[in-house]
Amino acid sequence: EVQLVESGGGLVQPGGSLRLSCAASGFTFRSFWMHWVRQVPGKGLEWVSRINNDGSTTSYADSVNGRFTISRDNTKNRLSLQMSSLRAEDSALYFCVRDLNTYFDYWGQGSLVTVSS
Amino acid sequence: SYVLTQPPSLSVAPGQTASIPCGENNVGDKSVHWYQQKSGQAPVLVIFYNDDRPSGIPERFSGSKSGNTATLTINRVEAGDEADYYCQVWESSSDQWVFGGGTKLTVL
Repeated sequence: EVQLVESGGGLVQPGGSLRLSCAASGFTFRSFWMHWVRQVPGKGLEWVSRINNDGSTTSYADSVNGRFTISRDNTKNRLSLQMSSLRAEDSALYFCVRDLNTYFDYWGQGSLVTVSS
Repeated sequence: SYVLTQPPSLSVAPGQTASIPCGENNVGDKSVHWYQQKSGQAPVLVIFYNDDRPSGIPERFSGSKSGNTATLTINRVEAGDEADYYCQVWESSSDQWVFGGGTKLTVL
């Protein structure tokens, strides 16, 4: 069974940093592109970032480019999102998502990030 | 940046048909995928590549595309179909993934 379990969320002050992790299991992690998608509670979905299967290429939404860094460790089946210079508008539930050729077939349950003083 | 437009809400009586459009910005050139998100849950894929249905998704769910508009159709709507529905594409020129704003389906 495919499982994606996010962790690392919490309360952080504006301008601060936070690192999210996603533990993947039930599939050959190194074979799949992975993404982070976020959602402000009560609002719509926003794509954040993606990384290819071997970690050699990444892409970012304009809203986070230059502040967030996506990475992966295929030896540990782990996806990460390093977030810095955090703003109030980055407050959201962050989902770890598996890509199956441009669409998302499995989602984690999300990790909540709150940016507030 | 690329924009996908969906109506914010749609209300349908049980047993009727719900049609949720997603369009603009040359969606005709792209593959459109659809997700259902029930309250408090993670999204679930219901349609991929415009009109393909994953295993486990009822045949009542179908997708289509005509010109610059993609449509998710739910036949014989049930109370359990009440959810937010999102369309999504991959914008190849910028290598970014884009979601529509979402449509809240209410079953009357």
